[in-house]
Amino acid sequence: NAGVTQTPKFRILKIGQSMTLQCTQDMNHNYMYWYRQDPGMGLKLIYYSVGAGITDKGEVPNGYNVSRSTTEDFPLRLELAAPSQTSVYFCASSYGTVETQYFGPGTRLLVL
Amino acid sequence: AQTVTQSQPEMSVQEAETVTLSCTYDTSENNYYLFWYKQPPSRQMILVIRQEAYKQQNATENRFSVNFQKAAKSFSLKISDSQLGDTAMYFCALFPYNTDKLIFGTGTRLQVFP
Repeated sequence: NAGVTQTPKFRILKIGQSMTLQCTQDMNHNYMYWYRQDPGMGLKLIYYSVGAGITDKGEVPNGYNVSRSTTEDFPLRLELAAPSQTSVYFCASSYGTVETQYFGPGTRLLVL
Repeated sequence: AQTVTQSQPEMSVQEAETVTLSCTYDTSENNYYLFWYKQPPSRQMILVIRQEAYKQQNATENRFSVNFQKAAKSFSLKISDSQLGDTAMYFCALFPYNTDKLIFGTGTRLQVFP
């Protein structure tokens, strides 16, 4: 049971490039989340999903897209990367809406 | 608006001593969960303890306990017998029942000294 895994661990992007951050969980959780954490700050919700085929915006969705075709996977797509997207990105999952969220190890993204 | 405030950006404690981290929150909901997460230098978020708002009894997990004051909207974390491995950022978080969103505070950096 690996829990929540994220790839890559670290990536440098040039302004205007695109990339996909991968997130996979093997706990059969219905709920999955993407957060970003800026230096010295708490986490802010980007997008979340309550099940396969269902996604919704969080607090800071602009510049990102998600999809949820399977229960296990919840990729986050960055289109036209901007320096403001330099951050650490965390994926999390939970069994239910009020259940404990389990976090992945994070992806550090640097946009130059 | 639902908010979480951690007023102590940094704290330090000597090994084996006790330290308390503060957290206040604001929500109009009567039903919610509160969490403390630990983020060590590895950056992974690790659940420390959680409290259901409808429970009056304070949650305890080994050396970690909370002081939950619902009327005051206060949720402090007490770490007893501090260990060097407790050095980390600690985040308080609120999860109101009517949302699917976890709301985080800005964190408290705890340093445990030998």
